[in-house]
Amino acid sequence: GAGVSQSPRYKVAKRGQDVALRCDPISGHVSLFWYQQALGQGPEFLTYFQNEAQLDKSGLPSDRFFAERPEGSVSTLKIQRTQQEDSAVYLCASSLRATGEKNIQYFGAGTRLSVL
Amino acid sequence: KQEVTQIPAALSVPEGENLVLNCSFTDSAIYNLQWFRQDPGKGLTSLLLIQSSQREQTSGRLNASLDKSSGRSTLYIAASQPGDSATYLCAVRLGSEKLVFGKGTKLTVNP
Repeated sequence: GAGVSQSPRYKVAKRGQDVALRCDPISGHVSLFWYQQALGQGPEFLTYFQNEAQLDKSGLPSDRFFAERPEGSVSTLKIQRTQQEDSAVYLCASSLRATGEKNIQYFGAGTRLSVL
Repeated sequence: KQEVTQIPAALSVPEGENLVLNCSFTDSAIYNLQWFRQDPGKGLTSLLLIQSSQREQTSGRLNASLDKSSGRSTLYIAASQPGDSATYLCAVRLGSEKLVFGKGTKLTVNP
């Protein structure tokens, strides 16, 4: 596709519900990243995939957060038993190469999650 | 732990003014530094990327500088326009590919 696509754009969940957020990266991009952006803050790293391999999940805040990219393309971020503190914008980014100093990350518009 | 700080948090200027946004980081062992723009309800758009071996990058009215030894970067915007109004984010890339962001500077350019 032309850019990174995320769905849904907005999600309202009741506390305790499970949610799944989808990211379609730019076609052919090897690397995929998830970030969490709370209101008034900069994005914070959650996890990173190179093709289907999850190479870094150090930013996932708890074991309620799980991400996958089974075929090395589309990725899903799942949050179980949502809490109010999970309310944020979840941003997905992809980059063409696995590594490299000029490897630019291209971001989607994000999914705004509100937990009531 | 790498920390990125952006000053000021918000800035309001009249159209046509030249301005400077500041970014500082605590650990100089960075791979590169990027400046992004974020418009409300939209994702991040990469403006400039400065590799660790470079001192500055330019694109149109934008110029970004990097001083690794002092842990500082500046984004210079010349002849500001109302369309430049957005939040500007600075991010440093560590060796692991992940980006560490500042909180951003919210810029308003008044006509």
